[in-house]
Amino acid sequence: DARVTQTPRDKVTEMGQEVTMRCQPILGHNTVFWYRQTMMQGLELLAYFRNRAPLDDSGMPKDRFSAEMPDATLATLKIQPSEPRDSAVYFCASGLPRDRKNTGELFFGEGSRLTVL
Amino acid sequence: GQQVMQIPQYQHVQEGEDFTTYCNSSTTLSNIQWYKQRPGGHPVFLIQLVKSGEVKKQKRLTFQFGEAKKNSSLHITATQTTDVGTYFCAGRDYGNNRLAFGKGNQVVVIP
Repeated sequence: DARVTQTPRDKVTEMGQEVTMRCQPILGHNTVFWYRQTMMQGLELLAYFRNRAPLDDSGMPKDRFSAEMPDATLATLKIQPSEPRDSAVYFCASGLPRDRKNTGELFFGEGSRLTVL
Repeated sequence: GQQVMQIPQYQHVQEGEDFTTYCNSSTTLSNIQWYKQRPGGHPVFLIQLVKSGEVKKQKRLTFQFGEAKKNSSLHITATQTTDVGTYFCAGRDYGNNRLAFGKGNQVVVIP
């Protein structure tokens, strides 16, 4: 059963520490998204990759956040240094671009819950 | 920039009753998607609407895309406890092809 895999599921860290979240997209999917979910802001798009190239990271705070795709099976989201306001659930999603064959639906991972003390 | 707004943000629904949740975009959309997130879970794709005025049904769920392709609705009949969760709409903007999520409609079902 194909699914997006995210690690860690839960992370508690102290302010100032580096946090790295990892995502394995569904095999064959060439679009990868990072979303942050909070009660106040809902689902915010942080970064979007197609064929491993970053297409949109306008929603990501550039001073402390970075997103990469070292290869087609791994996407990473790094926060350095982390701050309490970064506490949220971070979702990775993968999919195929919308065309005649595909709806462009997103398949979400189970999320990484980050708590920064 | 593109904004997708959902109304209401929260709903308490008596089991067995019907309810509707609405989604409005500030820009014209090429398509709209709906997702459901169970408490503690992750968003799961429900459906996509593409055509102006399109109506699609999934059992007790009816999805509608407005004629102007700027709004959509989800209507659920005979609500069950399994309908609890947050329903998100996500609109794809014609201009930049970006998919923007609304903040969701959190539904609580009262037995």
